[in-house]
Amino acid sequence: DAKTTQPPSMDCAEGRAANLPCNHSTISGNEYVYWYRQIHSQGPQYIIHGLKNNETNEMASLIITEDRKSSTLILPHATLRDTAVYYCIVRLPIQGAQKLVFGQGTRLTINP
Amino acid sequence: ETGVTQTPRHLVMGMTNKKSLKCEQHLGHNAMYWYKQSAKKPLELMFVYNFKEQTENNSVPSRFSPECPNSSHLFLHLHTLQPEDSALYLCASSQGQGARETQYFGPGTRLLVL
Repeated sequence: DAKTTQPPSMDCAEGRAANLPCNHSTISGNEYVYWYRQIHSQGPQYIIHGLKNNETNEMASLIITEDRKSSTLILPHATLRDTAVYYCIVRLPIQGAQKLVFGQGTRLTINP
Repeated sequence: ETGVTQTPRHLVMGMTNKKSLKCEQHLGHNAMYWYKQSAKKPLELMFVYNFKEQTENNSVPSRFSPECPNSSHLFLHLHTLQPEDSALYLCASSQGQGARETQYFGPGTRLLVL
């Protein structure tokens, strides 16, 4: 799996959009970009994933650059409950053992 | 609530004890996983099962012994653990094993080895 780079921590004001960047410069053409988050002492929670096009769901939006070397997760109206560690992961669409390789992630703190 | 439950939620055990962690998924998935998360470290994949068959053992010491009797249940048997094995143990499941298959995680079992 391609390696990802994320800032270790970020702050955002409640009600504002939180934009979390991720670099994956060695990504290959068929690797998906996944985002998970982990609220303190809980299991990771799936947020969104994409391949080439931008994606949006009820939780967030995912913007992937045209060269696919980086992406941004957007939480449009952050709340205090969005405080968590956010993980960006890239994965190949292959059969066999599936691995989610978690890095250190970005610790996002939403401030009142 | 993700549809993946884990028991117990907390466990304290001595180094000579034998205990088991249980995971159950109510999602009709075919693949199940054990992860370990030590303090201030990223999650580490331990084991992967697909249709009850183990497909991945990520160099885990033999004092951790997984068991998958069916696609809905996954156990992690613990024997003669060390204090450094204290961690959050997370179970996950997915429909299949392709990269487009989302993994759903349970709440974890927080283990303390004394």
